[in-house]
Amino acid sequence: EAGVTQFPSHSVIEKGQTVTLRCDPISGHDNLYWYRRVMGKEIKFLLHFVKESKQDESGMPNNRFLAERTGGTYSTLKVQPAELEDSGVYFCASSRSFSLNNEQFFGPGTRLTVL
Amino acid sequence: ELKVEQNPLFLSMQEGKNYTIYCNYSTTSDRLYWYRQDPGKSLESLFVLLSNGAVKQEGRLMASLDTKARLSTLHITAAVHDLSATYFCAVADMDSNYQLIWGAGTKLIIKP
Repeated sequence: EAGVTQFPSHSVIEKGQTVTLRCDPISGHDNLYWYRRVMGKEIKFLLHFVKESKQDESGMPNNRFLAERTGGTYSTLKVQPAELEDSGVYFCASSRSFSLNNEQFFGPGTRLTVL
Repeated sequence: ELKVEQNPLFLSMQEGKNYTIYCNYSTTSDRLYWYRQDPGKSLESLFVLLSNGAVKQEGRLMASLDTKARLSTLHITAAVHDLSATYFCAVADMDSNYQLIWGAGTKLIIKP
């Protein structure tokens, strides 16, 4: 089966601009997660979708970040307007529903650089 | 608040040697994960540990979990160059919808 894919792999934008990241989970995986790793820091949870619903968005840093998963398939994460501190690698992961261990499968990440 | 501490953060070793990476966490959890990341690549799931005393092995890697001590170890036996990568542990926070709380990662370099 195809793995989790993310687009773009890299994005370089200027402060104040808008960027939209996309994640395509593994087909049939209802759970979709977004994470971020800022340079030199730990990977941090951002939010969790179950199908099209936001199950947990407690990790979203502020209201400049908007995540959607219309139709319960792919997800987008929009940053508007971007700030310097938003730079980092954004990972997406997916997992099956009703999985005892909730093993999450990760995409390659999008490296975002805000200048 | 669940905190995860991983050590060492950096490890350089010779092929053929054994070593252990440690993952301590601060509050009760029943799920712990180990991931591997090669530079520029995605996080690859290595092990999922669900119960006290769980031990899993895959090739030269063996992971164990002691929920009472809140400690997991990732043991590398007779290291080979191909195992060079960054290894992360992540613990499910039972008080926060099972969010994964991550260790800082251990960058492992194995010299031929």
